[in-house]
Amino acid sequence: GESVGLHLPTLSVQEGDNSIINCAYSNSASDYFIWYKQESGKGPQFIIDIRSNMDKRQGQRVTVLLNKTVKHLSLQIAATQPGDSAVYFCAEMGGKLIFGTGTRLQVFP
Amino acid sequence: KAGVTQTPRYLIKTRGQQVTLSCSPISGHRSVSWYQQTPGQGLQFLFEYFSETQRNKGNFPGRFSGRQFSNSRSEMNVSTLELGDSALYLCASSFPGFPEGELFFGEGSRLTVL
Repeated sequence: GESVGLHLPTLSVQEGDNSIINCAYSNSASDYFIWYKQESGKGPQFIIDIRSNMDKRQGQRVTVLLNKTVKHLSLQIAATQPGDSAVYFCAEMGGKLIFGTGTRLQVFP
Repeated sequence: KAGVTQTPRYLIKTRGQQVTLSCSPISGHRSVSWYQQTPGQGLQFLFEYFSETQRNKGNFPGRFSGRQFSNSRSEMNVSTLELGDSALYLCASSFPGFPEGELFFGEGSRLTVL
């Protein structure tokens, strides 16, 4: 069935390093993808999105890569900071909006 | 401007009861969507309303319903509550579309069913 999964439930990185959060999706008809960040006690916050006609999109310190061949999405965070500590969700839209289960990013000094 | 406001923030109900949650979107936003978040299932889409009409719906039973008023405020209702309905219910608003563009989430209503 349709699903959006994540390879790692928890990712620990050192402050200043780059972080890569991965996401697999199974619906080849999905044409829009979104990354969200959720801090403890708060609602999700939009980070960046990408359409299926693109394979890369950059924001401020973040880059999303889309590989439609293997149905893989990744979020790269440059120079990870303590404030980046949160749970990160990917989501796909292909008729229905489906969220991944989330990856917890822990940043240590 | 004010963000998305959800009320109540916390509530406790017992099995069989019903509950109504409220969401006030950001001023000017006409799309309101609802989500259920649980540790086991993660974040799941419930439904989305635009101009008082339900445009999109997730895979939830008919016990879950919603509506949107002319001022874009929205409510969701869960009838005949089950233990598994315990969750954080999140509301998000956007302008103009869904889900494209930025969804602005509220802090949620945490429902506990005993």
